[in-house]
Amino acid sequence: GQNIDQPTEMTATEGAIVQINCTYQTSGFNGLFWYQQHAGEAPTFLSYNVLDGLEEKGRFSSFLSRSKGYSYLLLKELQMKDSASYLCAVRLYNNNDMRFGAGTRLTVKP
Amino acid sequence: DAGVIQSPRHEVTEMGQEVTLRCKPISGHDYLFWYRQTMMRGLELLIYFNNNVPIDDSGMPEDRFSAKMPNASFSTLKIQPSEPRDSAVYFCASSGDWALKFFGPGTRLTVL
Repeated sequence: GQNIDQPTEMTATEGAIVQINCTYQTSGFNGLFWYQQHAGEAPTFLSYNVLDGLEEKGRFSSFLSRSKGYSYLLLKELQMKDSASYLCAVRLYNNNDMRFGAGTRLTVKP
Repeated sequence: DAGVIQSPRHEVTEMGQEVTLRCKPISGHDYLFWYRQTMMRGLELLIYFNNNVPIDDSGMPEDRFSAKMPNASFSTLKIQPSEPRDSAVYFCASSGDWALKFFGPGTRLTVL
């Protein structure tokens, strides 16, 4: 089976830093994606890791450790508009098969 | 490009009725996916196509669900007969070689 685990909910303060963790146990691995989804909207792409290490893109960074089956999404200088669900997704094989975690609902408070 | 287009955006129907959801992928994308999202189960892959051919339909809940992709620019997901437990948001997504998925706006289905 495919297991992708994320915390269900997190709360953070505007201007702070928050780290959202994702652990996975899958039958294959060919990359890890992070998506952002605002309530009532479609998921939108944030970042992609295929090799170990940190990928930085503006206020958002994503880290991957393949040996540990672990990734995190780091959000800096939090803004109110960052309140959303964050979905971790594992690409299983080269044929584009992908499985999503249940998502972490982040609430940013003033 | 207009992105992935789905219709209708909202659908309310009664139990037992047939429901057809439609999707137009981004031009040039070889892969098309149908997902279902609920609070309880999150985002679930139902089926995906590569070059109009169904590759994996193991996520389709049961025989009441069927999906077709008659050409590269159109796909349908049909539920017949519909049941209240089918109520969810259904997303269509497409992608090219790189596997990055672009999601449509979704169809919010309510079965009474």
